[in-house]
Amino acid sequence: KAGVTQTPRYLIKTRGQQVTLSCSPISGHRSVSWYQQTPGQGLQFLFEYFSETQRNKGNFPGRFSGRQFSNSRSEMNVSTLELGDSALYLCASSSGFSYNEQFFGPGTRLTVL
Amino acid sequence: DAKTTQPPSMDCAEGRAANLPCNHSTISGNEYVYWYRQIHSQGPQYIIHGLKNNETNEMASLIITEDRKSSTLILPHATLRDTAVYYCIVRVVNDYKLSFGAGTTVTVRA
Repeated sequence: KAGVTQTPRYLIKTRGQQVTLSCSPISGHRSVSWYQQTPGQGLQFLFEYFSETQRNKGNFPGRFSGRQFSNSRSEMNVSTLELGDSALYLCASSSGFSYNEQFFGPGTRLTVL
Repeated sequence: DAKTTQPPSMDCAEGRAANLPCNHSTISGNEYVYWYRQIHSQGPQYIIHGLKNNETNEMASLIITEDRKSSTLILPHATLRDTAVYYCIVRVVNDYKLSFGAGTTVTVRA
């Protein structure tokens, strides 16, 4: 079974730009969660989508948004990039039902200049 | 979610058992204990989880105290590839948010 894939793996943007990251979950998984990892704040939860609906949301500003498609693939968008948005963005997939562990992708390394 | 406390770092000799402690003294009855690890530059990897009974799988064993206020992850025969940051997380079933703390940086030495 193929694992979670994230594209692109690396990205460089400048302040003020916007960026879209993509995540393809494990086949059959309906839940996709997004996390931001920085050296200072560690791993922080952004949001979770299940069956195209946002089910959980972390404490991030509205510049961070996401969506999920009918095939469970998910995209995350960050608008008006700030230097502090430089981070490793991870997505995790799970079946979406109780007890199941989350499987993480390799992440997208975003650098904002 | 209950918060967890882990030592910031620990060393382990290759081939020996690594015992990673975690304190979760405010855990609720409906919260599970999960362990993940993150090898440098990779996404976190699920290891094991449990509610109140001890659990074992091909990667590790999880020992939870009777009062559930602490737990220990045991890597039975540590290898160099087990060098990683290990995260102990408590969460309610059906809550898909994982709250990661700082974790324990485990270094396995030859």
